[in-house]
Amino acid sequence: DAGVTQSPTHLIKTRGQHVTLRCSPISGHKSVSWYQQVLGQGPQFIFQYYEKEERGRGNFPDRFSARQFPNYSSELNVNALLLGDSALYLCASSRRGGSNQPQHFGDGTRLSIL
Amino acid sequence: DAKTTQPPSMDCAEGRAANLPCNHSTISGNEYVYWYRQIHSQGPQYIIHGLKNNETNEMASLIITEDRKSSTLILPHATLRDTAVYYCIARSNDYKLSFGAGTTVTVRA
Repeated sequence: DAGVTQSPTHLIKTRGQHVTLRCSPISGHKSVSWYQQVLGQGPQFIFQYYEKEERGRGNFPDRFSARQFPNYSSELNVNALLLGDSALYLCASSRRGGSNQPQHFGDGTRLSIL
Repeated sequence: DAKTTQPPSMDCAEGRAANLPCNHSTISGNEYVYWYRQIHSQGPQYIIHGLKNNETNEMASLIITEDRKSSTLILPHATLRDTAVYYCIARSNDYKLSFGAGTTVTVRA
């Protein structure tokens, strides 16, 4: 079975632009989570969606938004990009929500802001 | 989620067992212990998780002390491909994983 797939793999934007990142979960998984990982640090939680509803939100500004589609794929949108948004953006999926459900990660989208 | 403490780095020899410690002295009864690893330029890879009992799968074994205040991840026969950052996470939250700095494990030939 295919794992979590993310697109694009790399992206370069300039300050002030907006970006949309995409994620397809593992087949049968209904929950998708987004994380940001800046260089040298562990991933930081941004959002979780389960059954198309937002179930959790991390400490990120309103410039960050996301949604989940009926096929359980997801998009992360970031508006008014800042230099500090340069990071690896990771998507993870799980069968459902819950602390006993492992999240499985894709290899991320590397976003660079010039 | 309870705070976890891991050594910043450790070396191990190829072919030998690697024992990775994690302290989670403030863990609560409903918090699972998760282990992930991240190889350079890849996303974190799920290894194993457990609540009270020791767990084993095809990748590793997880040993949790009886008081649940610490745990050890065991890679039975380390290979060069096991070189990675290993994260130990105490998880109570239904929707997020809280990653710390992890342990950088280097397997040497």
